[in-house]
Amino acid sequence: DGGITQSPKYLFRKEGQNVTLSCEQNLNHDAMYWYRQDPGQGLRLIYYSQIVNDFQKGDIAEGYSVSREKKESFPLTVTSAQKNPTAFYLCASSPPPGLAGPASSTDTQYFGPGTRLTVL
Amino acid sequence: AQSVTQLDSQVPVFEEAPVELRCNYSSSVSVYLFWYVQYPNQGLQLLLKYLSGSTLVKGINGFEAEFNKSQTSFHLRKPSVHISDTAEYFCAVSEWRDDKIIFGKGTRLHILP
Repeated sequence: DGGITQSPKYLFRKEGQNVTLSCEQNLNHDAMYWYRQDPGQGLRLIYYSQIVNDFQKGDIAEGYSVSREKKESFPLTVTSAQKNPTAFYLCASSPPPGLAGPASSTDTQYFGPGTRLTVL
Repeated sequence: AQSVTQLDSQVPVFEEAPVELRCNYSSSVSVYLFWYVQYPNQGLQLLLKYLSGSTLVKGINGFEAEFNKSQTSFHLRKPSVHISDTAEYFCAVSEWRDDKIIFGKGTRLHILP
């Protein structure tokens, strides 16, 4: 079955520690995304990557870092510089927009099950 | 820049009653519109999307939405809700040839017995 996996499902971290969240997809999608979800805030974009070895900051990139060494993998590191890291983190992937825009059914973003990070 | 406003943070409705979840967007160019559903402690799942063509879009689980360009709205409707529809619903917009989707803050649907 094709899909997106995120691990772990629950993660606890002490203040001052860096932690890395895993995201893997076998959908052969080029683009991958990381979102942070807080109650009542919706989804906010942290980083996204359209192609291997390239990524862009989203709206709330401070305190986070990513890498995209393989098409299938887009890990997110929450660094000690992130002041309020407790949240639900969602990874997504999608094929890139075509020349006529996202006009095919495969241009939707597909989401993983999420990782809930709690800082103790 | 595009933005999305979901007018209700929570909507309570009795089981088997109809429901409408409201969504308005702003954009200066052509847009693509989506509704996603999130069940507790899970990722998001696509309910339906409008890309072009007919303004009435049908999705999974009996949901439908209507794109209204003049009112810049994309409201989600279901004629009869079930307890299993209890979830949070997100409206989202993407501009033509953009590589990002902007999400609204979500509407929590509570089904009352």
